[in-house]
Amino acid sequence: AQTVTQSQPEMSVQEAETVTLSCTYDTSESDYYLFWYKQPPSRQMILVIRQEAYKQQNATENRFSVNFQKAAKSFSLKISDSQLGDAAMYFCAYRFSIPVSMIYNQGGKLIFGQGTELSVKP
Amino acid sequence: DSGVTQTPKHLITATGQRVTLRCSPRSGDLSVYWYQQSLDQGLQFLIQYYNGEERAKGNILERFSAQQFPDLHSELNLSSLELGDSALYFCASSPSDRVPNSPLHFGNGTRLTVT
Repeated sequence: AQTVTQSQPEMSVQEAETVTLSCTYDTSESDYYLFWYKQPPSRQMILVIRQEAYKQQNATENRFSVNFQKAAKSFSLKISDSQLGDAAMYFCAYRFSIPVSMIYNQGGKLIFGQGTELSVKP
Repeated sequence: DSGVTQTPKHLITATGQRVTLRCSPRSGDLSVYWYQQSLDQGLQFLIQYYNGEERAKGNILERFSAQQFPDLHSELNLSSLELGDSALYFCASSPSDRVPNSPLHFGNGTRLTVT
């Protein structure tokens, strides 16, 4: 079964500095999709960034970028110029490709890791 | 605002009772997903519906059931509630699960407390 592991329960970063959150996943598939979601204290789930496994280029969204290492099954999130508003729980998530989801009745669900709590120090 | 509406925001009930959580997906979204987030836990997938039909099932307890109605809103029914069912229940929606890079858009959740 596909699993997602976030080995850092908590991380801390100084405001304006850069921090990297780790995520590894286990899959035997070659095509899949990866996501990072942010959950601030309001508990709302907010999409941060997404990556298609067939794309070699790492995704970027403003101050957020990923380091996607397919062979290592690693999908880390880098936050540059950290801001106080970045303080939140961050979840890494895996999604099956369409053929696999159809074969194994997985639908479009996301499989989430346990999360990393990021604090930002002023 | 994600466009996904969940009601109620908070629910407090006693053990053994039954509750219904409601979700209205974003306009145009056909897929609805239910997740459970217990205290200090990640999100556990419960069930997905697509255009009224069950599409995928997770570790959903037999005491729990869900459905999606013709107007695409969905309800999650929790019965014979136990203390351990206390959690934040999220609904999410997406246009279709045949567009896998399309993200799930989450509602603000329903906080269920079982006493």
